[in-house]
Amino acid sequence: GQNIDQPTEMTATEGAIVQINCTYQTSGFNGLFWYQQHAGEAPTFLSYNVLDGLEEKGRFSSFLSRSKGYSYLLLKELQMKDSASYLCAVRDAGGTSYGKLTFGQGTILTVHP
Amino acid sequence: DVKVTQSSRYLVKRTGEKVFLECVQDMDHENMFWYRQDPGLGLRLIYFSYDVKMKEKGDIPEGYSVSREKKERFSLILESASTNQTSMYLCASSFRKGSLSYEQYFGPGTRLTVT
Repeated sequence: GQNIDQPTEMTATEGAIVQINCTYQTSGFNGLFWYQQHAGEAPTFLSYNVLDGLEEKGRFSSFLSRSKGYSYLLLKELQMKDSASYLCAVRDAGGTSYGKLTFGQGTILTVHP
Repeated sequence: DVKVTQSSRYLVKRTGEKVFLECVQDMDHENMFWYRQDPGLGLRLIYFSYDVKMKEKGDIPEGYSVSREKKERFSLILESASTNQTSMYLCASSFRKGSLSYEQYFGPGTRLTVT
């Protein structure tokens, strides 16, 4: 099975940088996803890592270290609209898993003016 | 743009009723998923389907069943609704090529209340 851990809540100031960590212990690993979910809305895909290193996408970057079972999502130049829950999800390995994801509980980020 | 739609945003049902939640995707995705989301518990997988008429249990299948008669449609059925099934239900779909599956796209969710 999978065990995924991320902080429950974080706060940050508009214009700042924030790093949201995710650690995982898995019986099989085939990629890590980050999703953003605003209150009352559906999760939306942010980023995907399957190899070690940093993936940058505009103001958002995601990092993966497979040997450490560790990922982080980095948000730069924070805006008020970035206030949301950020979900870390690990994809199962194996051809029969069909892209099955296990989600962490999510980190609620609040951005203050 | 991928579009995943769910039949209702809000639903109120009585204990013991049979409940159908419908999900439709328009991107010809092979994989479809049903989750429930509860405060403090995150997203938990109920069932998923990797092809028409195929289904697999997720982490919490008890009290639920599913149906996938057409590729674009995946239904979640609560055979006899109970109050502990009050939750937000989210449907998702993803493209699969061979053994590789891509990111999941989510519907807007159905908030179900069982009284």
